[in-house]
Amino acid sequence: GAGVSQSPSNKVTEKGKDVELRCDPISGHTALYWYRQSLGQGLEFLIYFQGNSAPDKSGLPSDRFSAERTGGSVSTLTIQRTQQEDSAVYLCASSPNTGWGEAFFGQGTRLTVV
Amino acid sequence: EDQVTQSPEALRLQEGESSSLNCSYTVSGLRGLFWYRQDPGKGPEFLFTLYSAGEEKEKERLKATLTKKESFLHITAPKPEDSATYLCAVRAVSLPGGGNKLTFGTGTQLKVEL
Repeated sequence: GAGVSQSPSNKVTEKGKDVELRCDPISGHTALYWYRQSLGQGLEFLIYFQGNSAPDKSGLPSDRFSAERTGGSVSTLTIQRTQQEDSAVYLCASSPNTGWGEAFFGQGTRLTVV
Repeated sequence: EDQVTQSPEALRLQEGESSSLNCSYTVSGLRGLFWYRQDPGKGPEFLFTLYSAGEEKEKERLKATLTKKESFLHITAPKPEDSATYLCAVRAVSLPGGGNKLTFGTGTQLKVEL
């Protein structure tokens, strides 16, 4: 597709369950980002992938959060043992260049932990 | 402390009433300042990239400008469909990630009324 695609668009899960969120970046974009946006809050950086380099995981809030990017394209963000405070919109973005240029966002996955 | 600050937090305008949104930043090694528009329930939509002081970009009723300390998003004769949250983001060498990721302000929520 032409843009960044995220799935699912909405996810409701029970506290303690694991969830996986998927991101398909724009074709040819080498950089991929995950951000989190809680209700009424700004965008919080989670993790960054660039080509085959080691990801920048400095924004992951706990070891329950992990992400991988397979083949330099699709990425999956996994949250284990979900907690209510994990409820937020998870946004994925991609960018064609390392360290420069704008990033293009998907529509996000709204995660609700009940 | 390096940071990105947007003001005002919220702005209410009458249709046709021009105004400006502010994004101030205290960083070094700027690698780009970005403006996004975000509608409720959607991901941020890219608007503009500015790289150096004095640069200006325009699109329809929006004009973005950049100085060494801040950026303005000028909205001329706004319409109700311009209502959205406007986000500013910065890439900079001095920010965590060394410019590899975008650091966002908390946004300005704009409401344009008839």
